[in-house]
Amino acid sequence: SQQGEEDPQALSIQEGENATMNCSYKTSINNLQWYRQNSGRGLVHLILIRSNEREKHSGRLRVTLDTSKKSSSLLITASRAADTASYFCATDSGAGSYQLTFGKGTKLSVIP
Amino acid sequence: DAGITQSPRHKVTETGTPVTLRCHQTENHRYMYWYRQDPGHGLRLIHYSYGVKDTDKGEVSDGYSVSRSKTEDFLLTLESATSSQTSVYFCAISGTGDEKLFFGSGTQLSVL
Repeated sequence: SQQGEEDPQALSIQEGENATMNCSYKTSINNLQWYRQNSGRGLVHLILIRSNEREKHSGRLRVTLDTSKKSSSLLITASRAADTASYFCATDSGAGSYQLTFGKGTKLSVIP
Repeated sequence: DAGITQSPRHKVTETGTPVTLRCHQTENHRYMYWYRQDPGHGLRLIHYSYGVKDTDKGEVSDGYSVSRSKTEDFLLTLESATSSQTSVYFCAISGTGDEKLFFGSGTQLSVL
């Protein structure tokens, strides 16, 4: 069963706008991670936020985590056409071996 | 893709035939994973390995077996392929203490 569920399933914005994607999960976590997947390629790690952190930044990415609501959001500021991809959240429940449970993803389209 | 090679990249096979997918890494990472990606399901863990000859089942392991005789190679075998196993298969690796995953480029498998 899926642990993380992203919302929305698809998002279309103009270049330069901000994009926000949300992720909800069901059980307690050790950390939550976001990955990007370009069409026909493997996933690439973007950012990791631990359960005791509330916000994290990396370049144009901002991730928040609310463990009381079991939710996270990924904000991409000043989007570019190259940001067009699918974005997945993944949770590590701390069960060992760094097993991650992935959501179904948000497909982001940035229109030039 | 972080020193990970999946082979073959594409395969078409018939129902009932055995199929083996190979994942080869040059990173000397301890952990290796096989995921399948299907529309509407995101990525689901099939099997994973936490060392040579040490493997365990994931969420969707039925119909699949794995072997890891060397650190660098992780094989996924479909003993008797079925149409429901048509999917894109991704191998991922992770090092000890490194909680993020690095993914290969994937294998597109079609079972007719």
